[in-house]
Amino acid sequence: QQKVQQSPESLIVPEGAMTSLNCTFSDSASQYFAWYRQHSGKAPKALMSIFSNGEKEEGRFTIHLNKASLHFSLHIRDSQPSDSALYLCAVSLPNNYAQGLTFGLGTRVSVFP
Amino acid sequence: EAAVTQSPRNKVAVTGGKVTLSCNQTNNHNNMYWYRQDTGHGLRLIHYSYGAGSTEKGDIPDGYKASRPSQENFSLILELATPSQTSVYFCASENWGNYAEQFFGPGTRLTVL
Repeated sequence: QQKVQQSPESLIVPEGAMTSLNCTFSDSASQYFAWYRQHSGKAPKALMSIFSNGEKEEGRFTIHLNKASLHFSLHIRDSQPSDSALYLCAVSLPNNYAQGLTFGLGTRVSVFP
Repeated sequence: EAAVTQSPRNKVAVTGGKVTLSCNQTNNHNNMYWYRQDTGHGLRLIHYSYGAGSTEKGDIPDGYKASRPSQENFSLILELATPSQTSVYFCASENWGNYAEQFFGPGTRLTVL
């Protein structure tokens, strides 16, 4: 069964700093990699996703994927207090995306003014 | 944006009782999912569905049944609720096609006494 692990468990960053989150997965055949953000008491909401090795940038958010290293990451530039949330990485089951996602336990991020 | 609603939002049940959690989506998405979220375990997939009339077991289906009577509605049924099923339950929908974003409902907090 796919194993997905996140690090660190929690992070405190000052406003304006870079936030970097990591996710490792166990199955190199996985095909879809995503980050979700969950504010306290709310539903998870998709942030970004990537399919192939490399980097993808959307606004202040950048996702990196290295399948050979079984690793992908999320970087948040110019972190804001509104970025304070639980960040979940998610990986698809290989060869069959429609069987749901396997999520990590999350990294709790606190951005202080 | 995709709209997914869940009812009830909060539920207290007694051990051995029957509980039905309901989910409705208005975006004509084919795939729907039920997850539970617990501290230390993250989000875990219980059941999923490809469309009306279909239900499939996820990673932790024991003690749960699912029903998809229409494209819009997906229910999670606990026939004999146990305290270990105390959790926050999220429903999600996803459009058919390439790997796609999952849209989550607001969650149902279930307490089994």
